[in-house]
Amino acid sequence: QKEVEQDPGPLSVPEGAIVSLNCTYSNSAFQYFMWYRQYSRKGPELLMYTYSSGNKEDGRFTAQVDKSSKYISLFIRDSQPSDSATYLCAMSENRDDKIIFGKGTRLHILP
Amino acid sequence: KAGVTQTPRYLIKTRGQQVTLSCSPISGHRSVSWYQQTPGQGLQFLFEYFSETQRNKGNFPGRFSGRQFSNSRSEMNVSTLELGDSALYLCASSLETANYGYTFGSGTRLTVV
Repeated sequence: QKEVEQDPGPLSVPEGAIVSLNCTYSNSAFQYFMWYRQYSRKGPELLMYTYSSGNKEDGRFTAQVDKSSKYISLFIRDSQPSDSATYLCAMSENRDDKIIFGKGTRLHILP
Repeated sequence: KAGVTQTPRYLIKTRGQQVTLSCSPISGHRSVSWYQQTPGQGLQFLFEYFSETQRNKGNFPGRFSGRQFSNSRSEMNVSTLELGDSALYLCASSLETANYGYTFGSGTRLTVV
């Protein structure tokens, strides 16, 4: 079992819909959780960063962490065609530790 | 503010050769990490350097090595290239620790023929 599992998609949703992206993980020591967005031919860019369990909201984006289920989610409200990209979850045990990435979910927002 | 700069953007090498990739982090960032990205394996951690010292290392063979200079610029070297080394190599920098979030460069696309 890989440390971080993420459905590769592609996930196609109509413009304006709520998007739900998810990752599961096996290492209960993970404490730091991140979501990155990667456009074609670009490096990933940090979207959301959370520590331990709970929710965090930033504009149209909400990140949720459920450590008891080893499950994290990213919700995108009022999705736009410009949200079409690959979304990668990432996590690590400690502040100075390496970051482990999921393989990414390709998202297409249909106009 | 300049971002993370990786050079070259594209590279074609022959099996058995060696290659050196360069990364200039954001000014003031002391941590530089390297990742290999392939369609099959996704982003895989190679190593991280902080203040010229390797702080973390992934599970790659010894053919993959890196270093960091006093100005925080970093290089990674791959010796005896194999076809399977074809990938996008991404460099990321952060202030002190990766867990405040990386800033990635656009990567170097390496093709081994």
